[in-house]
Amino acid sequence: DTEVTQTPKHLVMGMTNKKSLKCEQHMGHRAMYWYKQKAKKPPELMFVYSYEKLSINESVPSRFSPECPNSSLLNLHLHALQPEDSALYLCASSPRIDSNQPQHFGDGTRLSIL
Amino acid sequence: DQQVKQNSPSLSVQEGRISILNCDYTNSMFDYFLWYKKYPAEGPTFLISISSIKDKNEDGRFTVFLNKSAKHLSLHIVPSQPGDSAVYFCAASPLRSDKLIFGTGTRLQVFP
Repeated sequence: DTEVTQTPKHLVMGMTNKKSLKCEQHMGHRAMYWYKQKAKKPPELMFVYSYEKLSINESVPSRFSPECPNSSLLNLHLHALQPEDSALYLCASSPRIDSNQPQHFGDGTRLSIL
Repeated sequence: DQQVKQNSPSLSVQEGRISILNCDYTNSMFDYFLWYKKYPAEGPTFLISISSIKDKNEDGRFTVFLNKSAKHLSLHIVPSQPGDSAVYFCAASPLRSDKLIFGTGTRLQVFP
């Protein structure tokens, strides 16, 4: 059982839709992350939040909009996505940034853009 | 530019034997290394990590070795079990950074 919970597990949306991915952890972690993983590729970092503030944005297009409403929740708002954005989106958390402690991942949301 | 490389896309090992998964990196600023296991339809599960001040870390059946001069790390699984069949990713991050760079993964199959 993963301690990082992501919903939904699967999402199919059109290019004009607006949807959100959600991530929740109750381990008291203060750093949270979004990764994107394409088929047969390794996960790639998108965003890092530390104490609810955006710490790293890996030059992600603005059609992806992260939000961290509190220390347990992380959202990724999606708008006007392209077919190439179809991928597995993984959320992770760790006790805090800059600490050399492992990140713990959720099971991901598999996103398909029609 | 692939900074973390796993040159073996797959590995097949008999149950009870040792599995050795290898990983090479190019960035000398990496100082923290991790191994993750991933089953289909699940997220990566943390296995074991090592910092650059050590050359070995052990946790049960899993041991990670780090050779800084060769920029090489390996994961040993002894004894291998069928439940170990999964894709294994190594990952690295620079000093005091949260940016994890993943390798491309090695698919391990443990057969009876």
